Amino acid sequence: EPEVTQTPSHQVTQMGQEVILRCVPISNHLYFYWYRQILGQKVEFLVSFYNNEISEKSEIFDDQFSVERPDGSNFTLKIRSTKLEDSAMYFCASSLAGPTDTQYFGPGTRLTVL
Amino acid sequence: AQRVTQPEKLLSVFKGAPVELKCNYSYSGSPELFWYVQYSRQRLQLLLRHISRESIKGFTADLNKGETSFHLKKPFAQEEDSAMYYCALSGRQGAQKLVFGQGTRLTINP
Repeated sequence: EPEVTQTPSHQVTQMGQEVILRCVPISNHLYFYWYRQILGQKVEFLVSFYNNEISEKSEIFDDQFSVERPDGSNFTLKIRSTKLEDSAMYFCASSLAGPTDTQYFGPGTRLTVL
Repeated sequence: AQRVTQPEKLLSVFKGAPVELKCNYSYSGSPELFWYVQYSRQRLQLLLRHISRESIKGFTADLNKGETSFHLKKPFAQEEDSAMYYCALSGRQGAQKLVFGQGTRLTINP
């Protein structure tokens, strides 16, 4: 059964550094999402992406965040200048037919900002 | 505003006992409601969605629009049901996201 994959599984970085989190969505899916979960808190929506553009973003997704689908398979989340409060588990998800369709989640990338 | 509330952070029941995980929502419109589950060391995965009206692993959930609830139930809990359970909401139009509750950690005691 196809799955969403994410790399790396764990990323440690220094405050102020740029990080890129990578995701490979399920191949025939058209909608892509990033969520994050700070330890002990709820899963929060960051951004959704469809037809090569952002379709919705949350207030968390400020100018230091960006997403890209550089080729036909990868979907990346870039944080330009990491802050301590960016430490969280970041989940990528994809769906075939929009947000009311089942979203399939990746295993997550744990980002630790020191 | 869209909001999902799961009042219980932790729930512990004995094997064979009934289970009910509570979920209440706030949404001005007709939402799509989901239950996602995360077993130990596994990814978030869909357990069920209200529009399917199906029972998965013995779990059911009924959407009660009057009480704005979508509680998850199982008549006889099994040890393998121990996991983190998340209720989530998606708007039918416009909103391109899932809104999650804080999750309930269910522990089934032998």
